[in-house]
Parts: sequence; C-alpha cells; structure tokens
Amino acid sequence: ETGVTQSPTHLIKTRGQQVTLRCSSQSGHNTVSWYQQALGQGPQFIFQYYREEENGRGNFPPRFSGLQFPNYSSELNVNALELDDSALYLCASSLTRPDTQYFGPGTRLTVL
Amino acid sequence: DAKTTQPPSMDCAEGRAANLPCNHSTISGNEYVYWYRQIHSQGPQYIIHGLKNNETNEMASLIITEDRKSSTLILPHATLRDTAVYYCIATSSNNNDMRFGAGTRLTVKP
Repeated sequence: ETGVTQSPTHLIKTRGQQVTLRCSSQSGHNTVSWYQQALGQGPQFIFQYYREEENGRGNFPPRFSGLQFPNYSSELNVNALELDDSALYLCASSLTRPDTQYFGPGTRLTVL
Repeated sequence: DAKTTQPPSMDCAEGRAANLPCNHSTISGNEYVYWYRQIHSQGPQYIIHGLKNNETNEMASLIITEDRKSSTLILPHATLRDTAVYYCIATSSNNNDMRFGAGTRLTVKP
C-alpha cells in the first residue's frame, strides 16, 4: 500500500506567478485536505475535497483553489503569488470524511 | 474544535518513557483527541487518537482523564528518532480540518 505522495518536492517561483502542486492519495482514500505550514508554525487548513467536491475551506483567499480528480488525486493552485505564500504545503488523505488524515511529505514553495 | 494547550518544549532521556501532556478543558462530548508528530520538515505523522477510553498501539499510549479535560501521550521507550514536534488536536467527528497549534518540541537526549 503506497502512502500519500506529493510533487514537486521543492519549487521556487517569483511574486505574481501561478503555481500548481499535486497530491496522490493513499490507496482507497476518497478525501483530500490541503494545509499550509509557515516556518515555525503548525499547519493551517486550506480546504478539503470529498468525491471531487469542495467540502470545507479555511481562512484563505480565493486565489487558493483546488481540484480533485476521479481517481481522488488532487491539485492545489495558487494564483498571483505573494512573498507570504512561501511555506510547506501539505496534502493529507483519509478513507472517508471525517476520518483520520494521513499526510504526505509536503512541497516546499519559495516565492522570491 | 476545542482549544488545546501544550508545553512548548520537553526533554527526555533515551530509553525512558516520554509523557507529553495536553490540556483541552473545553472539549465537547463528540470531540476526539488526536496526536500527530512532525519530524523536521517532513509531513505530520499520525500517532494515535481516542474519545473516552485509553488507547494503545504500536507507537504509543494515550491516557485521557475521566473528565476528558486533559490527556497524556506516552512513548514508552523513547529513542533519538522520537525527537520531533508533537501536536495534540481536539476535533469532532463532523469537522473537516485538523487545527494544529504550536505543539510540544520533544528532544530525546542520549
């Protein structure tokens, strides 16, 4: 059984650009959640997808958007990047909602 | 989600039990207590969760007080690889998100 995987591992962008981060859920999991973790802080919930529909959103602006595909993999898109978007972006999958969430290794985004 | 309070840091000697406390005095009846840990720059790792009863798995034990206002995560024989930030989270079965606080930075020393 494979765990949650994320790509890319690291990414460097400049302010104003757009970025897409990808996540593959653990086998059999139909729910994906995305978190942002700034340096020295705990992860902050961005949103969750359940069976391809958004199922809850944290306090993040609309330029943070997502998709979940029929195979339950997911994307996080961030438009108009700002310096403060520099963070570790974490994806977590769960068997269903709500349920224990299992996290991937994260994507480290640096915005210059 | 109920607010949780954890000490910012703790030390433990290698081979000894590590007891990590968490206060969740405003926890409601349908909220579970979850524990995760995060080793430097990796994704959080699920450890254990419980509702009322004490729980044990291959990683740790979770002791929840009878009034459910606090809990303790016990790593029975800490190793250097247990050095990490440990997060205690109280979340209901209806919630979508895990609300992480600052956690406890556990350092296991030789």
